[in-house]
Amino acid sequence: GESVGLHLPTLSVQEGDNSIINCAYSNSASDYFIWYKQESGKGPQFIIDIRSNMDKRQGQRVTVLLNKTVKHLSLQIAATQPGDSAVYFCAENGNDYKLSFGAGTTVTVRA
Amino acid sequence: SQTIHQWPATLVQPVGSPLSLECTVEGTSNPNLYWYRQAAGRGLQLLFYSVGIGQISSEVPQNLSASRPQDRQFILSSKKLLLSDSGFYLCAWSPGVAGAGELFFGEGSRLTVL
Repeated sequence: GESVGLHLPTLSVQEGDNSIINCAYSNSASDYFIWYKQESGKGPQFIIDIRSNMDKRQGQRVTVLLNKTVKHLSLQIAATQPGDSAVYFCAENGNDYKLSFGAGTTVTVRA
Repeated sequence: SQTIHQWPATLVQPVGSPLSLECTVEGTSNPNLYWYRQAAGRGLQLLFYSVGIGQISSEVPQNLSASRPQDRQFILSSKKLLLSDSGFYLCAWSPGVAGAGELFFGEGSRLTVL
């Protein structure tokens, strides 16, 4: 992911619209990627993951896309709801014991 | 099912005082354990991880230390806190196999150093 320590970018989205959150990862050897959601004052929670042998995976209202050529990961949220307001982090694992986290994106849903 | 607990949830400490944050995992054995720090409005920084009792890897130089006295217990400590130690500290665990896989996070401990 992008270097930790950067101020978080933001995304404002109208309720009911689709959201797209992007992440650039740095390690071409990474073979596992996760999206986390963190609500204010809480620990991050797992949303969806994808392995490097896939380029798309769908969950409930969420889709993760992986483009290994350009080392890009995205999270799509369909029909964004007020409860989706949170900070979203991508994370990558390069086959060691550590997950590297991106800087995070703050999503705000407008009513 | 597996659960992770960390405490205290909130802590206000003066500069120069010691620190001890505790984390325990239940419902699994031989987990990988992690301490992350999150400064206000920023991302997650890995501080320490452990793949077994007494095995601690430090990711960044700092005045913090970690210990794993038991299989499912992970402690973050400092002898003398600095103002820059303020932040949101997160403990996490993953299954004890090669590669981190999915991390399961605790609810966090908010430390304010005054």
